[in-house]
Amino acid sequence: NAGVTQTPKFQVLKTGQSMTLQCAQDMNHEYMSWYRQDPGMGLRLIHYSVGAGITDQGEVPNGYNVSRSTTEDFPLRLLSAAPSQTSVYFCASRRGIKGTSGAGEQFFGPGTRLTVL
Amino acid sequence: GEDVEQSLFLSVREGDSSVINCTYTDSSSTYLYWYKQEPGAGLQLLTYIFSNMDMKQDQRLTVLLNKKDKHLSLRIADTQTGDSAIYFCAETPHQKVTFGIGTKLQVIP
Repeated sequence: NAGVTQTPKFQVLKTGQSMTLQCAQDMNHEYMSWYRQDPGMGLRLIHYSVGAGITDQGEVPNGYNVSRSTTEDFPLRLLSAAPSQTSVYFCASRRGIKGTSGAGEQFFGPGTRLTVL
Repeated sequence: GEDVEQSLFLSVREGDSSVINCTYTDSSSTYLYWYKQEPGAGLQLLTYIFSNMDMKQDQRLTVLLNKKDKHLSLRIADTQTGDSAIYFCAETPHQKVTFGIGTKLQVIP
């Protein structure tokens, strides 16, 4: 298994440009999430999905869109990049745990380091 | 609400024990996790504890859970330089995962 893969690893954008960060997993996990990591802020949840066709907002969704047309893929779109979106972005996936309100182990991708000038 | 708190920094000497503390707010969390992040990498699961347990030991790692105080700790025995990393505590209320801001562990040779 490749696990969780993310592309690109690095990206530089100008303010106002749009782009899509790609995320794929081959573990047949229902849950997928996008986080951003900023110094002193930990990981903040942007959007998440509990299955194909279902997405929801996390803690910091503004300026980002997601879609989940397949179980494997969960792309994150920046509509009009802003310097405040300079960050490291992590995609993660996990399976649910039926019968409990718990959450299984999250598997993280290697991250995309995005700079917006 | 959902809020996980950790101290930002811990420095220990090689061979000593490290204790990283975490407090969480949501008592519905069924599992509580510790993740490790090495420089330039994503997070990897280090260990976890089920909410009906008080303690879990896994080689050099000991997790203690005080559910009444909503306090979680990670003890690393015989800390090595390879343990230098950022450690994240995570709670799991209602199938979501909420992370603390991470504790940076520095191991001095």
